[in-house]
Amino acid sequence: QVQLVESGGGVVQPGGSLRLSCAASGFTFSGYGIHWVRQAPGTGLEWVAFIRYDGSYKHYADSVKGRFTISRDNSKNTLYLQMNSLRAEDTAIYYCVKDHGGNWDYWGQGTLVTVSS
Amino acid sequence: DIVMTQTPLSSPVTLGQPASISCRSSQSLVHSDGNTYLSWLQQRPGQPPRLLIYKISNRFSGVPDRFSGSGAGTDFTLKISRVEAEDVGVYYCMQASQFPWTFGQGTKVEIK
Repeated sequence: QVQLVESGGGVVQPGGSLRLSCAASGFTFSGYGIHWVRQAPGTGLEWVAFIRYDGSYKHYADSVKGRFTISRDNSKNTLYLQMNSLRAEDTAIYYCVKDHGGNWDYWGQGTLVTVSS
Repeated sequence: DIVMTQTPLSSPVTLGQPASISCRSSQSLVHSDGNTYLSWLQQRPGQPPRLLIYKISNRFSGVPDRFSGSGAGTDFTLKISRVEAEDVGVYYCMQASQFPWTFGQGTKVEIK
């Protein structure tokens, strides 16, 4: 079955960096675009970034543009999110989400990022 | 950006009774390919979101048929025909028709 497993979250100081990973299984990873979506504590969902199936095309939310970088390694079935210059408002659970032609059909369990001094 | 507005934000429901959630977009969600990428997500307490309905009215794999979606253009509705205890949670509409992709604020469904 399809599985997306995020890792790499933790506590980091403002201005610090963190790299999240999302390990995929149960489907042909190289055939699908993948999103990062985040959810601040007790709030709603915010789309963060998207990468096309082959890595040739990337999109970012304005709130993270220039600070976050999405990438993927199709040989390892893994998605990444490099987060630099972290701010308190980046505190959230980060989910990776598989995109099936505009239908976001599978979500990971999420990994918690806390930005605090 | 397309703004997605859900009503109500909270919906206390009696078990076995119907529930309905409305979602309105600030622009038409008809994509240039002719599809309307409006989805509904369910987030149970302590769980990640999961896909319930895609392209307005298509139930995702494993979703009970008491869930149904309808609408067109800018107005959409999610209906639960008979609410069960496991339906408690927050429901989000989202659009993937136009970048940047956006979500509604969420509607909390709880049992009276």
